[in-house]
Amino acid sequence: GEQVEQRPPHLSVREGDSAFITCTYTDPNSYYFFWYKQEPGASLQLLMKVFSSTEINEGQGFTVLLNKKDKRLSLNLTAAHPGDSAAYFCAVTRTGGYKVVFGSGTRLLVSP
Amino acid sequence: DPKIIQKPKYLVAVTGSEKILICEQYLGHNAMYWYRQSAKKPLEFMFSYSYQKLMDNQTASSRFQPQSSKKNHLDLQITALKPDDSATYFCASSQTAALSAETLYFGSGTRLTVL
Repeated sequence: GEQVEQRPPHLSVREGDSAFITCTYTDPNSYYFFWYKQEPGASLQLLMKVFSSTEINEGQGFTVLLNKKDKRLSLNLTAAHPGDSAAYFCAVTRTGGYKVVFGSGTRLLVSP
Repeated sequence: DPKIIQKPKYLVAVTGSEKILICEQYLGHNAMYWYRQSAKKPLEFMFSYSYQKLMDNQTASSRFQPQSSKKNHLDLQITALKPDDSATYFCASSQTAALSAETLYFGSGTRLTVL
């Protein structure tokens, strides 16, 4: 089945720095990709979803990059601030699939 | 107001006992799921249901039994509890079970501790 590896498990940056998180996946049929954010003590909420037809997606304060050739999905938080401190999970699905496979998560700490 | 309600928020049980984790969603979704999060396996898929029918089961142990009395309910019964079952159990839902592009909406979780 699909395997998703996420790195790094922990990341500590200063306010204003960039934070870069990467996931690699194995299933070449993976077609939909997601980033979820889990704030301390809270549940997961969708940050962004991307489709394999789009390689770069920009959100508010972050960019998601998809490299289909290398099967790599990346999240880059630009100019991180303390409110970005949370756990971030990548996730993938395949067409016709009934489950979402999550990466192991990255705990990001942004210090002032 | 929370749209996916999980009860209880915290649960302490003794080894060998049985517990039921409650999940109700008020998003009008047709698919519901259970995920487990622990230190060993950060977010692990357990079950998916669509229109009250089991779609996928990745839980090896029959001690875990989902129960769906209504389309918007998916409870999780756990029997013969073990300390290794200690985790936070998240219920989630999506509009359909065709998960390709669906967003998952998560409840706030039930933190289970088995002594």
